[in-house]
Amino acid sequence: DGGITQSPKYLFRKEGQNVTLSCEQNLNHDAMYWYRQDPGQGLRLIYYSQIVNDFQKGDIAEGYSVSREKKESFPLTVTSAQKNPTAFYLCASSRPGTSGVDTQYFGPGTRLTVL
Amino acid sequence: AQSVTQLGSHVSVSEGALVLLRCNYSSSVPPYLFWYVQYPNQGLQLLLKYTSAATLVKGINGFEAEFKKSETSFHLTKPSAHMSDAAEYFCAVSNNAGNMLTFGGGTRLMVKP
Repeated sequence: DGGITQSPKYLFRKEGQNVTLSCEQNLNHDAMYWYRQDPGQGLRLIYYSQIVNDFQKGDIAEGYSVSREKKESFPLTVTSAQKNPTAFYLCASSRPGTSGVDTQYFGPGTRLTVL
Repeated sequence: AQSVTQLGSHVSVSEGALVLLRCNYSSSVPPYLFWYVQYPNQGLQLLLKYTSAATLVKGINGFEAEFKKSETSFHLTKPSAHMSDAAEYFCAVSNNAGNMLTFGGGTRLMVKP
């Protein structure tokens, strides 16, 4: 089955530790995205990548880092510099549509809790 | 810059009643608009999208939305609510290039038996 997988589903981290969230897709999509979701705030874009070996900062990139070494994979590292990392993290990928707009498809998410 | 406002962070309806979730957008160009649904502790699932074809867009699970340019709105409706519709719903608008989304704050739909 084609889709987007994120692991782990739940992640606990001690303050001051870096942690990496996995995102893999087998949809052959070029673009991938990372969002952060907090209650009542919708989704906010952290980083995105339109092509392998290239990525751009989103609205809230501070304290996060990414890499895009393979088309299928877009891991997100939450560093100790992120002041409030407890949140639900969503990965998405997209393909260009026939109407000129990309449709984003989402993974199941990873809930990160800092203890 | 695009923006999206969803009126009502919580909406409660009885089973069998009409569902109406409101979305207003701001965009400097004709927008592409999306509705997504999120069940607890899950990712977002695409319900429907408007890409400048028909103004009335039909989606999955009996939902539809109507694009009204004069009102800058893209409200989501369903004639008869089902218990399984209880979830959070997000409206989103695409940027000019069509490759980035701006999301509204979400509306949590509760369905009473």
